[in-house]
Amino acid sequence: AQSVSQHNHHVILSEAASLELGCNYSYGGTVNLFWYVQYPGQHLQLLLKYFSGDPLVKGIKGFEAEFIKSKFSFNLRKPSVQWSDTAEYFCAVGAYSSASKIIFGSGTRLSIRP
Amino acid sequence: EAGVAQSPRYKIIEKRQSVAFWCNPISGHATLYWYQQILGQGPKLLIQFQNNGVVDDSQLPKDRFSAERLKGVDSTLKIQPAKLEDSAVYLCASRGPAASTDTQYFGPGTRLTVL
Repeated sequence: AQSVSQHNHHVILSEAASLELGCNYSYGGTVNLFWYVQYPGQHLQLLLKYFSGDPLVKGIKGFEAEFIKSKFSFNLRKPSVQWSDTAEYFCAVGAYSSASKIIFGSGTRLSIRP
Repeated sequence: EAGVAQSPRYKIIEKRQSVAFWCNPISGHATLYWYQQILGQGPKLLIQFQNNGVVDDSQLPKDRFSAERLKGVDSTLKIQPAKLEDSAVYLCASRGPAASTDTQYFGPGTRLTVL
């Protein structure tokens, strides 16, 4: 069965600091990987996704994530955070063979100090 | 393009009462999902529809939860009777038909409080 682990439950950073949120998954086959973001009072929305090809994927608002197959990881990064990045971030994994179903991690709450 | 619509946005009920949530997916989206998100956790899939057929309901507590999508468009999720542990946000999501665009679009959710 698939599972997703997000080790950081709450991360607090100052503006302009660099960000890396960890995500590890457990699944024996080929996977699709996602990062979703939920800004305060807003819907869950897709930040970026990996299906195949270049393991370094770029998303909206300057975010990127790197798929490292050997480590079963898909960490989210941003070189310089802004106060507006305050949100909850969810990593999710889907089996490539059953692309429509995805499993979410427990989320990481990111707080940015202005 | 309109997004996924859900109603109501908030609902407070007492335990053992029944409640129903409604979802209208993005036009043309054949796949519809219902998730339960308990505070401090990620969304957990309850049921997935493809048009009006159930694809996966393995995590739906069928003794109290039911869902339908009769015409392959709107969907309702019902809880009867509700328990305290059902307090959560219930999210609806939909996905388009193309396999290459495997993105789920989420609605605003219904926050349920069971007293």
